[in-house]
Order: sequence, then C-alpha cells, then structure tokens
Amino acid sequence: DTGVSQNPRHKITKRGQNVTFRCDPISEHNRLYWYRQTLGQGPEFLTYFQNEAQLEKSRLLSDRFSAERPKGSFSTLEIQRTEQGDSAMYLCASSLTTQRYEQYFGPGTRLTVT
Amino acid sequence: AQTVTQSQPEMSVQEAETVTLSCTYDTSESDYYLFWYKQPPSRQMILVIRQEAYKQQNATENRFSVNFQKAAKSFSLKISDSQLGDAAMYFCAYRPRGGATNKLIFGTGTLLAVQP
Repeated sequence: DTGVSQNPRHKITKRGQNVTFRCDPISEHNRLYWYRQTLGQGPEFLTYFQNEAQLEKSRLLSDRFSAERPKGSFSTLEIQRTEQGDSAMYLCASSLTTQRYEQYFGPGTRLTVT
Repeated sequence: AQTVTQSQPEMSVQEAETVTLSCTYDTSESDYYLFWYKQPPSRQMILVIRQEAYKQQNATENRFSVNFQKAAKSFSLKISDSQLGDAAMYFCAYRPRGGATNKLIFGTGTLLAVQP
C-alpha cells in the first residue's frame, strides 16, 4: 500500500494557461475526492467520485474546472484559463466504501498562478 | 448549512505538557462523524482520531483523546504528554453519516507549536 500520490507536487503557471493535476488513489479505493486549500484555511471540498462516476460537485467548481476518473482508477483535475485566485494547494483523498469514515489524503499539488 | 469553527488560530505547549484544542460545529443532523486531522509542515494530512455522534463514550487514541459534547456541539482534542513531533496544523472536520454527501467539512485549523 503506497498511499495516495499526486503529481506534480508544485506547479507554477502564468495567468490564462491551462493546468492538469493527477491523483493516484490507494489501490482498490473506489472513492476519490478533490479538495482545495488556500493559505490559512481548511480544505474545501471540490468534487467526489465513486468509481468512474462523478457524484458530487461543489459550487466552488466553476466551469473552468473539470475532473475525470476514467476507468475508476486515477483522476485528473484540469483548470482552464487559470486566474490568480486559483493559487492554492489541491488535495486528493481516497477511501473504500466499506470504510465508513476515513479518507486518506495525498501530499497535494501546490499551484501558483503568476 | 453545516459549519465547523476553530477559534484558536495558534496554540503553544511545552514538551510533556497537555494541551486542548477547541472545535465547535453547527448541524441539524443527528448522526454524523467528527474527526481531528493533523497536517505537519509540507506533509500530508493524517487522521488523528474520530468520533461517531451516536456514541456517548469519548474516543481515545494513545495520547490523544476528545471531549465530545453533543448538545453543546463541541468537540475538543486533548493531547497529553506533548512531543516535538506533535507540532503541526490540526483541523477539526465533520461529515454526516447518512445520505449521499461524503465530503468532509473542515474548520480553519489550529497551528500547534511544541516548545522543548
């Protein structure tokens, strides 16, 4: 069990560019979550997948954001036309349906938009 | 809407002493989970302890224990015999037990410093 991994760990981009992050959950975890954490704040929920189905999306997830989880394995989060307000830590977490409570978090991808 | 409030942005404790971190929450649900997560600097968040709302007994994990007051909607974390490795940001989090929502709702965190 290697834990949740995220790539890249850091991303610096210019305003207006598109960026894509990847999350690899713990093997066989069927649930996957994306959160965003800005400086001085707790993580805020963005979206949730059960297998390949995206079952919940936050109002924080504007039209510029899209998340996918093809084949129910890894997931990608894409931000189009980045804005400075998108600068944050993007966290991924995974869990098993049979685990009623624990979400295992990855190390995050820190995005800086200049 | 469900909210989680941590009113202590920063706390400090001497090594080997005890410290209590506060958390209050607001919900109309009767069944839910409460959690404390630890986020060390530049490292991933890990679960410290959880409490199921239907259980009256306070959860304990080694040096970590909670004081769960359901009527007051209060959920504090006590760390006994504090160690240097306990220094981190601590987040209180809430999740309803039933329904379709699986998201965690976090507070703003408490930064704990441990003085040698």
